Amino acid sequence: GESVGLHLPTLSVQEGDNSIINCAYSNSASDYFIWYKQESGKGPQFIIDIRSNMDKRQGQRVTVLLNKTVKHLSLQIAATQPGDSAVYFCAENGNRGATNKLIFGTGTLLAVQP
Amino acid sequence: EADIYQTPRYLVIGTGKKITLECSQTMGHDKMYWYQQDPGMELHLIHYSYGVNSTEKGDLSSESTVSRIRTEHFPLTLESARPSHTSQYLCASSGGGQSSGNTIYFGEGSWLTVV
Repeated sequence: GESVGLHLPTLSVQEGDNSIINCAYSNSASDYFIWYKQESGKGPQFIIDIRSNMDKRQGQRVTVLLNKTVKHLSLQIAATQPGDSAVYFCAENGNRGATNKLIFGTGTLLAVQP
Repeated sequence: EADIYQTPRYLVIGTGKKITLECSQTMGHDKMYWYQQDPGMELHLIHYSYGVNSTEKGDLSSESTVSRIRTEHFPLTLESARPSHTSQYLCASSGGGQSSGNTIYFGEGSWLTVV
């Protein structure tokens, strides 16, 4: 069936270093992908998205890379800060058209060490 | 910043009680969703609505029910709560149009504990 999974459940980085969070997806028909950040006790917060016609998209301190050949998605965070500590989820739409029902992965906990 | 609100944020109730989790959004979004998330786990879609008077079951079976009488309001109801319903319930919404890539915005979640 469809699934979205993460390679690393926990990632620990030093403050100021760059972080890379990886995600694998199984549905090659997915055409839209999103990264969410979820802090403890809060709802997921949109970070950045990318469509399947793109390989890379940059935001403020974040970059999402999409490799459709190997069905891999990554989130790069530059100069990681303590405030970046959270669980990060990738999600795909499974190409379910206008319904926009997302399929979420299991999440990666990013721990930023001061 | 998304304008989507959930109440209550935290609720502890006894088995057999009826509860309704409220969700409202002020963005005029036509699509609304309910996700269920256990601590440290992924989100699972349990209900979906693409407009007023339309609701669908999500990917994960749930004993809860929803209604969409107004665009901005999407309450979730459990007629008889059980301990197995203990979880976090996240409401979300996204804009209209034909694009499959409309960003989904989440509320802060409602933590339900059934004792």
